[in-house]
Amino acid sequence: GAGVSQTPSNKVTEKGKYVELRCDPISGHTALYWYRQSLGQGPEFLIYFQGTGAADDSGLPNDRFFAVRPEGSVSTLKIQRTERGDSAVYLCASSSITAGDSSNTGELFFGEGSRLTVL
Amino acid sequence: GQQLNQSPQSMFIQEGEDVSMNCTSSSIFNTWLWYKQDPGEGPVLLIALYKAGELTSNGRLTAQFGITRKDSFLNISASIPSDVGIYFCHHHSGGSNYKLTFGKGTLLTVNP
Repeated sequence: GAGVSQTPSNKVTEKGKYVELRCDPISGHTALYWYRQSLGQGPEFLIYFQGTGAADDSGLPNDRFFAVRPEGSVSTLKIQRTERGDSAVYLCASSSITAGDSSNTGELFFGEGSRLTVL
Repeated sequence: GQQLNQSPQSMFIQEGEDVSMNCTSSSIFNTWLWYKQDPGEGPVLLIALYKAGELTSNGRLTAQFGITRKDSFLNISASIPSDVGIYFCHHHSGGSNYKLTFGKGTLLTVNP
């Protein structure tokens, strides 16, 4: 498809389990972002990739969270030893912006999100 | 990331009414973006502002980039039921070390 695709759309897991969430960005978009959205809140920044490298991972809450983008396209957000507080919608977005380019517009194209529920 | 103050948190209006919401920050920004999020969907860009003082319209939507570069407002005229959703303001400050930050959103309910 032409938009950002996220899988799974819903994931229910037990506390302590490992979870992977996948994001397939718009073709050609070099920038990819992961956000976490809790009920009643705006999206909270987690990590930003420019190409294959994590340009900014300062939003990851702790070392249980990790994300990769090995070929500069699809990204996987990995959560180890899940906790009930990890329950949220995890949104992925992509854009054609380039870090350091002051002319970029900043528009993000979002996927529909992966809803994670940790029991 | 830097925090954006978005108000009101929620609004309940009748179909046909006009709506106004705003976003403020203690920092200056180069870009203000307004997104709408429907239930079960990701946010979608409505309108983008790139210059201080800029006033931009998109159909029934009008948004302005404050002259101080620290605020923005979004107006919706003649609301319709499909305007229901959460509206987020968003910005980035440009350069190589920007953070992309969203406000907490304004939940709009339109009664037919």
